[in-house]
Amino acid sequence: ETGVTQTPRHLVMGMTNKKSLKCEQHLGHNAMYWYKQSAKKPLELMFVYNFKEQTENNSVPSRFSPECPNSSHLFLHLHTLQPEDSALYLCASSQDIGDRGAYEQYFGPGTRLTVT
Amino acid sequence: GESVGLHLPTLSVQEGDNSIINCAYSNSASDYFIWYKQESGKGPQFIIDIRSNMDKRQGQRVTVLLNKTVKHLSLQIAATQPGDSAVYFCAENPGDKIIFGKGTRLHILP
Repeated sequence: ETGVTQTPRHLVMGMTNKKSLKCEQHLGHNAMYWYKQSAKKPLELMFVYNFKEQTENNSVPSRFSPECPNSSHLFLHLHTLQPEDSALYLCASSQDIGDRGAYEQYFGPGTRLTVT
Repeated sequence: GESVGLHLPTLSVQEGDNSIINCAYSNSASDYFIWYKQESGKGPQFIIDIRSNMDKRQGQRVTVLLNKTVKHLSLQIAATQPGDSAVYFCAENPGDKIIFGKGTRLHILP
């Protein structure tokens, strides 16, 4: 619907598991983002990729590992997560213009992650 | 510090009435503001934006007002409908990234 798709939509994993979240954008944008959305908290920016280069890592624990093989695809690799990592993980894309950073961002539907 | 907040976490409005959702921002350097709507089970969707050289912008049934003097942003929804039920976020861009507020949940009363 928005041109940004995410899979899976729901994921339950144990603390010792390894899983990956996938995001794909069909909008021709040059920037992609991972956000964490927890109840009653603002959206937390995790990672930013601009032209496939990581430009921001907001002090995210190393158990989250992003990968951006091209400007249309973004992955978030997960391993040895904690129960407090349970949240909605949102991917977004935008057309980044110069050094002003992002303007309008288009979001995917998110992956609802539950860590048991 | 950086913060974008909303005055009320929840707002209940009668169907057909106008809704006003408020947001306070703290960064004077912000020159671009956005309102997003997030329905249950979906990601945030862009509603309307405004640049700091404007104080009002209208869309279809929505109006955004910007008061830079008091760092206040509001979203007005005319003739609120059941489909407007969602969480509404304001966001600001102080120069290099977008910062989101916590959100207001809009309930529509029959």
